[in-house]
Amino acid sequence: QVQLVQSGSELKKPGASVKVSCKASGYMFAAYGINWVRQAPGQGLEWMGWINTNTGKPTYAQDFMGRFVFSLDISVSTTYLQISSLKAEDTALYYCATSQGYWGQGTLVTVSS
Amino acid sequence: DIVMTQTPLSSPVTLGQPASISCRSSQTLVHSDGNTYLSWLQQRPGQPPRLLIYKISNRFSGVPDRFSGSGAGTNFTLKISRVEAEDVGVYYCMQTSQSPTWTFGQGTKVEIK
Repeated sequence: QVQLVQSGSELKKPGASVKVSCKASGYMFAAYGINWVRQAPGQGLEWMGWINTNTGKPTYAQDFMGRFVFSLDISVSTTYLQISSLKAEDTALYYCATSQGYWGQGTLVTVSS
Repeated sequence: DIVMTQTPLSSPVTLGQPASISCRSSQTLVHSDGNTYLSWLQQRPGQPPRLLIYKISNRFSGVPDRFSGSGAGTNFTLKISRVEAEDVGVYYCMQTSQSPTWTFGQGTKVEIK
């Protein structure tokens, strides 16, 4: 069955970087793009962008240009989200999701001094 | 950009009774390919989002038939025929017609009276 398994929770200081992984299984990795979605504490869902798993080309939503980078390693069917220069307001759950409707379990990133 | 507006934002429901959530888009969601890419997601407390309905009215794998979707153009509805305790959570409508962007509604909280 299709599964997206994300890396564990992270606690980072302001100004640091974090890299979240999303490992896919149960389907041909290059068949579906991977989207990233942010959910701040107690808030709704916000689309961050997606990465084409065929070409590796990332597309970012307007609010996520600059400090956010999507990448992938096809050899291990894994997509990555890297956030640099972390701020307190980056504290959130980050989800990966395929374009066909499957979601990862979420990764909590907490930014605190 | 397309804006998705859900009503109500909160819906207290008696067990066994129906529930209905509306979603309106600021632009038509009819894609140039003739499909309408309007989905509904369920997020139970402490859980990641889960796809319930795609392309207005198609139930995703494993979704009980008490969930149904309807609508066209800019107006859409999710109905739960008889609410069960496991249906408590937040429901989001989501458009993917304006590819590759995903846009979510604000979410509707369904709780038991």
